[in-house]
Amino acid sequence: EAGVAQSPRYKIIEKRQSVAFWCNPISGHATLYWYQQILGQGPKLLIQFQNNGVVDDSQLPKDRFSAERLKGVDSTLKIQPAKLEDSAVYLCASSRIGMTGQETQYFGPGTRLLVL
Amino acid sequence: AQSVAQPEDQVNVAEGNPLTVKCTYSVSGNPYLFWYVQYPNRGLQFLLKYITGDNLVKGSYGFEAEFNKSQTSFHLKKPSALVSDSALYFCAVRPLTSGTYKYIFGTGTRLKVLA
Repeated sequence: EAGVAQSPRYKIIEKRQSVAFWCNPISGHATLYWYQQILGQGPKLLIQFQNNGVVDDSQLPKDRFSAERLKGVDSTLKIQPAKLEDSAVYLCASSRIGMTGQETQYFGPGTRLLVL
Repeated sequence: AQSVAQPEDQVNVAEGNPLTVKCTYSVSGNPYLFWYVQYPNRGLQFLLKYITGDNLVKGSYGFEAEFNKSQTSFHLKKPSALVSDSALYFCAVRPLTSGTYKYIFGTGTRLKVLA
């Protein structure tokens, strides 16, 4: 089966600009996650969707970050305006529906963002 | 605060030798435990997970991990390392709190297998 798709793979922007990332999860996976991975650190969850509803966005900087998953499949993560500290790899992951916590998350290749 | 520790930034091992990548955690209750591997410019790939049962879990590419409840550890092991195992390894914990199932990741351990 096809994996999690993300685009673009790389993005360079100036601070205060806006940027958007796209994710297409594995077919049939109802749960979708966005993570931020800063160099030298482990990934940190930004937001989790179950179908098109938000389950957890407690670590999403809502003053500048937004995410949507309107039809319960693809998702878009936006940063507006970007700051230097947003430079990171943004990872999308998906898992099958289920609320036991046992479901494995499958990750996309990530989008590497550099803010100058 | 809940946390995951990978005490070694880098582990070097000779090809053919056994390897161990360490992980300890501090969370309440009995969490689910995962190992992922990350190759350059690629996303995280699932290796194995511990949910319940046998403390020794076998996963992909010949890796296994040993869960030790008393030491709150979940060390990744492989009997014979390959050069192709060189990558960044992440331990992740999923606390069993209701409403969300987010991973808490360690900071990663870079494994270098020397030919």
